[in-house]
Amino acid sequence: KAGVTQTPRYLIKTRGQQVTLSCSPISGHRSVSWYQQTPGQGLQFLFEYFSETQRNKGNFPGRFSGRQFSNSRSEMNVSTLELGDSALYLCASSLDLDRGWYNEQFFGPGTRLTVL
Amino acid sequence: KQEVTQIPAALSVPEGENLVLNCSFTDSAIYNLQWFRQDPGKGLTSLLLIQSSQREQTSGRLNASLDKSSGRSTLYIAASQPGDSATYLCAVRRYGNNRLAFGKGNQVVVIP
Repeated sequence: KAGVTQTPRYLIKTRGQQVTLSCSPISGHRSVSWYQQTPGQGLQFLFEYFSETQRNKGNFPGRFSGRQFSNSRSEMNVSTLELGDSALYLCASSLDLDRGWYNEQFFGPGTRLTVL
Repeated sequence: KQEVTQIPAALSVPEGENLVLNCSFTDSAIYNLQWFRQDPGKGLTSLLLIQSSQREQTSGRLNASLDKSSGRSTLYIAASQPGDSATYLCAVRRYGNNRLAFGKGNQVVVIP
């Protein structure tokens, strides 16, 4: 069974540009969450999508947005990039049962974003 | 707001010694707790998941305990090996929410 995949693995952008990152969850998983990891702040929750709807959102500015498609694949977008957006962006998927039992979360390898 | 703390931030142990990693959290109303391993520049690998109703979970040389009332979890790694060198992260999830709150991690070096 294939794991969570993320593309691209590395990105270099300049301030003011925008970027789109992609995440494909494990087959059958319907919940996709995004996290930002930096040396100073550690892992911080960005948002979670389930059945194409944003279910939870972390404390990040509106420049950070995301969406989920009908096949559960998800994208996140960061507009007007700032130097502080340089980070490892990780997505996680989980099998989310209707009766509300939240399963183990599985993470992808991440996308390393560098903003110059 | 849930605060998750992992102490110490870094530790080194000789090969063969048992590892004990601690995680504490401020809000005991958790649904489950998950331990992860992260190698430098890589994603997270799930090690163990403990539901709030469980006291411990075991997988091979790994054993994780959970004391929800005191807000603590401990990860034990028996007979450490150089390949166990990595950062270990614990994360907790509240009821009705799929969002994980992470600690900053324990960076472990196992010396051959």
